[in-house]
Amino acid sequence: GAGVSQTPSNKVTEKGKYVELRCDPISGHTALYWYRQSLGQGPEFLIYFQGTGAADDSGLPNDRFFAVRPEGSVSTLKIQRTERGDSAVYLCASSLNPYTGELFFGEGSRLTVL
Amino acid sequence: LAKTTQPISMDSYEGQEVNITCSHNNIATNDYITWYQQFPSQGPRFIIQGYKTKVTNEVASLFIPADRKSSTLSLPRVSLSDTAVYYCLVGERSNDYKLSFGAGTTVTVRA
Repeated sequence: GAGVSQTPSNKVTEKGKYVELRCDPISGHTALYWYRQSLGQGPEFLIYFQGTGAADDSGLPNDRFFAVRPEGSVSTLKIQRTERGDSAVYLCASSLNPYTGELFFGEGSRLTVL
Repeated sequence: LAKTTQPISMDSYEGQEVNITCSHNNIATNDYITWYQQFPSQGPRFIIQGYKTKVTNEVASLFIPADRKSSTLSLPRVSLSDTAVYYCLVGERSNDYKLSFGAGTTVTVRA
């Protein structure tokens, strides 16, 4: 498909475990975003990449969260020592031109920490 | 970022027009108004964006009065498939444009 692809779609883990969530953006989109959405709330910004570098990571809640995009395409969001409060849907979005305000979102990865 | 206020929920029936008003009293000169739609278990989807007056596309219309302190998203002749959460966002366009979502308006369309 031509859309943003996220894997896994669902992840259940235990408190304290390490988790990786993958995002495959639309081909050619240089801008990539990670958002987190809790039940009943709007998405919350985490981090933004322009190419390979993290242009803005001001939304990452603490140092347990880290994201990479080594080749400027696929991105991985990494969460260490997961806590129950990390349970949420993690959304990835990409854009060819963020200036337009049009981001293309994936379906998200639902993380449940027991 | 300008704060936005929109109704928590709205109910409608198939074939009716739905109008969702968003208040953004402290909108800045360079801010644009953008609306997104989100279906359950999906990511948000861009609907429309405007700066002033009226913008129309194949999905919706966006009405922005001269003072720009509010905006109204209009969905013509809704169907059951238009049941979703609609978000109003206000911000300055830039190359690192970050969307700031509120709680949105849950629109429920009934048969």
